[in-house]
Amino acid sequence: IAGITQAPTSQILAAGRRMTLRCTQDMRHNAMYWYRQDLGLGLRLIHYSNTAGTTGKGEVPDGYSVSRANTDDFPLTLASAVPSQTSVYFCASSEGPRETQYFGPGTRLLVL
Amino acid sequence: AQSVTQLGSHVSVSEGALVLLRCNYSSSVPPYLFWYVQYPNQGLQLLLKYTSAATLVKGINGFEAEFKKSETSFHLTKPSAHMSDAAEYFCAVSSSGGSYIPTFGRGTSLIVHP
Repeated sequence: IAGITQAPTSQILAAGRRMTLRCTQDMRHNAMYWYRQDLGLGLRLIHYSNTAGTTGKGEVPDGYSVSRANTDDFPLTLASAVPSQTSVYFCASSEGPRETQYFGPGTRLLVL
Repeated sequence: AQSVTQLGSHVSVSEGALVLLRCNYSSSVPPYLFWYVQYPNQGLQLLLKYTSAATLVKGINGFEAEFKKSETSFHLTKPSAHMSDAAEYFCAVSSSGGSYIPTFGRGTSLIVHP
């Protein structure tokens, strides 16, 4: 069982470009999340989905969009990347909102 | 509403010494509380969680945490630090006040000296 996979592992992106970070889980979890991790700021929630077909905004949603067409996949899109979106992005899943979260290995994104 | 405060962005201990990482939460309703650990260049993994059963919760790798409602605290402890404990530790709270969406603290980096 792979758990949660994220792709790409790392990326250098020119400002203004569109980018989709991929996240797939094989645990049939209902809930999925996207966080960004920045030094000194900890983990901040970008978007979440409590079940397939629904999404919600987290603490820092501006500049990001998500979709949840099925249970397994939860892609995060940066429509027009800006340097302040340079960060490490983690995808996570859980059986439900109050349950243990399982994290992917992260995607390191540098926007120049 | 819910929030978490982790006191101290860095904690330094000697190998074999007591580890104490502090976490205080704010929640108007009974919370679920979690401690996660992040090793370098990895994602987070669960150490332990409190779900209103026993107030003293035992986790992996010899860690434990005690839920103290009167102090709104959920401090993480380990009697004897090991070099392999060096990592980033995150406290998180989940409650109906936040629609059970977890809120994470800013993290505490544990440094273990030989």
